[in-house]
Amino acid sequence: GQQLNQSPQSMFIQEGEDVSMNCTSSSIFNTWLWYKQDPGEGPVLLIALYKAGELTSNGRLTAQFGITRKDSFLNISASIPSDVGIYFCAGPYSGGSNYKLTFGKGTLLTVNP
Amino acid sequence: NAGVTQTPKFQVLKTGQSMTLQCAQDMNHEYMSWYRQDPGMGLRLIHYSVGAGITDQGEVPNGYNVSRSTTEDFPLRLLSAAPSQTSVYFCASSRQGAHHTQYFGPGTRLTVL
Repeated sequence: GQQLNQSPQSMFIQEGEDVSMNCTSSSIFNTWLWYKQDPGEGPVLLIALYKAGELTSNGRLTAQFGITRKDSFLNISASIPSDVGIYFCAGPYSGGSNYKLTFGKGTLLTVNP
Repeated sequence: NAGVTQTPKFQVLKTGQSMTLQCAQDMNHEYMSWYRQDPGMGLRLIHYSVGAGITDQGEVPNGYNVSRSTTEDFPLRLLSAAPSQTSVYFCASSRQGAHHTQYFGPGTRLTVL
């Protein structure tokens, strides 16, 4: 099946630092999604990308849809303690039901105040 | 709106026992799905439904049954629990035309001894 590879697996940073993470696939995706999961909660959608090369921001978060359509990037500027959590990339299965999403394994972010 | 609700929040079963995880949403969403989350594995799709009376398998359906008799409810049944089914289970819903924007419930933490 399709796999999404996220890196890094985990990050430990100081408050105020910028963060970058990425997601790659061997298959082309027509949509890239970034979700965040707070500790003990379900994931919440942060940003959705629908077009190759698209750059979208949501507050301090910026995500890009790679031009090859096989990767996506998420940046967080000036991190704060509430940024702690697991960040997942996701995309719809290709060649089948567009309702099915596949998720990466996540990047665990820890922010030291 | 309560959004997506899941019960119970925690459950311990013995091998071979059966149980049903409940999921309900009050947003009149057509699409509902079940995921399991294991450490280092991200979220994996178990079953999904695109509307009342319609269900289909996801990535890891074995050992689980679902039904969708109403738009609001999407229960997940474990017929004979196994230790490999120890996991955190998330239910999600989304509306037609925006099925990538999935709203997740708070999760059920299941332990099978």
